[in-house]
Amino acid sequence: QKEVEQNSGPLSVPEGAIASLNCTYSDRGSQSFFWYRQYSGKSPELIMFIYSNGDKEDGRFTAQLNKASQYVSLLIRDSQPSDSATYLCAVTKTAGNMLTFGGGTRLMVKP
Amino acid sequence: SQTIHQWPATLVQPVGSPLSLECTVEGTSNPNLYWYRQAAGRGLQLLFYSVGIGQISSEVPQNLSASRPQDRQFILSSKKLLLSDSGFYLCAWVITGGTEAFFGQGTRLTVV
Repeated sequence: QKEVEQNSGPLSVPEGAIASLNCTYSDRGSQSFFWYRQYSGKSPELIMFIYSNGDKEDGRFTAQLNKASQYVSLLIRDSQPSDSATYLCAVTKTAGNMLTFGGGTRLMVKP
Repeated sequence: SQTIHQWPATLVQPVGSPLSLECTVEGTSNPNLYWYRQAAGRGLQLLFYSVGIGQISSEVPQNLSASRPQDRQFILSSKKLLLSDSGFYLCAWVITGGTEAFFGQGTRLTVV
């Protein structure tokens, strides 16, 4: 079992819709959870991080964490074509500071 | 401000040639530094991490090595490149506690 799993996609949504990206992790002791956006050929950029169970909102983005189910998600409201990218979920291990990444989900927002 | 520099941005190297990618960090001391590799259409694979000068941990045994000669410098090397070494290499600085990671611009390596 991979430590961090994501559906590779592509996930296709129409402009203005809500995009829902999901991530599961295997280490029950994981503490911090991150969502990165990566445009083709570019390095990842941080969108949000979440530490506590529940929802965290930042503009059009909402991260949701459920530690009991070992599940973290990212919702993008009012999706725009510029949101088309690969979204990477990352988790910190209990030991050290390493970020372990999932394989990423490619999102396509169609005008 | 804290910044991370990585170079070169692109590199085309023949099979069997050596490799040296450099990463430097500004605006912090004793950073935790990481090298990741990303194959086309895939996620980030952790290669090496370093918590201090001369301290290197390897996550994946392979044709690569890393060194930390100075506090804010992290180098990825290979003596002889393989075709399978092609990929997008990213240097990252992870804040203590794992609260955030900053990435360099990445190096697109093509081994031919």
